[in-house]
Amino acid sequence: GQNIDQPTEMTATEGAIVQINCTYQTSGFNGLFWYQQHAGEAPTFLSYNVLDGLEEKGRFSSFLSRSKGYSYLLLKELQMKDSASYLCAVLDSNYQLIWGAGTKLIIKP
Amino acid sequence: DAMVIQNPRYQVTQFGKPVTLSCSQTLNHNVMYWYQQKSSQAPKLLFHYYDKDFNNEADTPDNFQSRRPNTSFCFLDIRSPGLGDAAMYLCATSRERGSTDTQYFGPGTRLTVL
Repeated sequence: GQNIDQPTEMTATEGAIVQINCTYQTSGFNGLFWYQQHAGEAPTFLSYNVLDGLEEKGRFSSFLSRSKGYSYLLLKELQMKDSASYLCAVLDSNYQLIWGAGTKLIIKP
Repeated sequence: DAMVIQNPRYQVTQFGKPVTLSCSQTLNHNVMYWYQQKSSQAPKLLFHYYDKDFNNEADTPDNFQSRRPNTSFCFLDIRSPGLGDAAMYLCATSRERGSTDTQYFGPGTRLTVL
């Protein structure tokens, strides 16, 4: 079966750095998305990786290793507004999005 | 601004009473999706439209139907809501199917079943 694993919950301090990991086993791979979802709101697109390596976008960076079936989202200079769930989703060989359950990130002052 | 709009944001219905959720988009995207998301769970794809071509997921209950009268609008009909259908319903669009195009989400409709 297809599976996306990410931690259920993480806690970090305002101003710090946090890394949210995602591992996947899917039938084929056409890229990996990270979405941010605030409580009670819709997911919003953060990043897309299809090649190995690090993609940096302001305070957020996303890394992919296809050989390891692994990605992480790195958030720097954490702000209170970064408190949200972060969803990892993989596009499989049929271009279907396979979603993880999300990692709830709690930021403490 | 181009966007995906969902109405209503909050919907309360009674057990067994049909309900319709609506989604509209100004992005002129070909594909529209309906997802169901329960608390702390991954979004679950119910079905999608590629233009007028309807694609049902194998495990989507018959209780859920959809209509897409034109490019801009898509509706989710729940014929006989049960308590287990209480969830957030998310509409999303993408430019093309079978591609790496990003999916853009509406704000969601939170459905409560009494």
